[in-house]
Amino acid sequence: DAMVIQNPRYQVTQFGKPVTLSCSQTLNHNVMYWYQQKSSQAPKLLFHYYDKDFNNEADTPDNFQSRRPNTSFCFLDIRSPGLGDAAMYLCATSRDRNEQFFGPGTRLTVL
Amino acid sequence: GQQLNQSPQSMFIQEGEDVSMNCTSSSIFNTWLWYKQDPGEGPVLLIALYKAGELTSNGRLTAQFGTTRKDSFLNISASIPSDVGIYFCAGQLYNFNKFYFGSGTKLNVKP
Repeated sequence: DAMVIQNPRYQVTQFGKPVTLSCSQTLNHNVMYWYQQKSSQAPKLLFHYYDKDFNNEADTPDNFQSRRPNTSFCFLDIRSPGLGDAAMYLCATSRDRNEQFFGPGTRLTVL
Repeated sequence: GQQLNQSPQSMFIQEGEDVSMNCTSSSIFNTWLWYKQDPGEGPVLLIALYKAGELTSNGRLTAQFGTTRKDSFLNISASIPSDVGIYFCAGQLYNFNKFYFGSGTKLNVKP
């Protein structure tokens, strides 16, 4: 089945230790998004790639970076995680400006 | 950023009852989406709406794209325990890649 895959599902890191979350998709969608979601709040868009074009949200901290080496993969790098970065990180994909499909998420814990 | 007002924030209903929730915006949207999210999982797309006045069903779920294009409604008929979760609306402005999310409606169903 075509899908959005996120690995790992649970990630534990230490305060200040860089961490990378990964997302892959078999939908062949050209747009990939990263969201941060905290305790039952709405997902908050961090950035997205439209094809190879990177689009950062104005309020996304510099601590968050992203890479998209090819159509299928997208990575979220958190350079120096703080306690406030503990959250669920969701990857989503879409074909152009059509509906978004989400992966299962990665729950990040910062110790 | 755009504000979507989603109501109610939470609902406690008896199994078998019908449920309604809605989202309103001050802006005209081009697309409305409705998602359901279970604890620890990513949002799952339920219904996508693309035209003003459009009424679309998915099993016991029915959603409508408001005629003013500033609102959308989701109805669930004959609720069952597995309907428990958080329901999010998401709206997209014309020619924008991203979706704006409502704050969610938490649904609780008593057997």
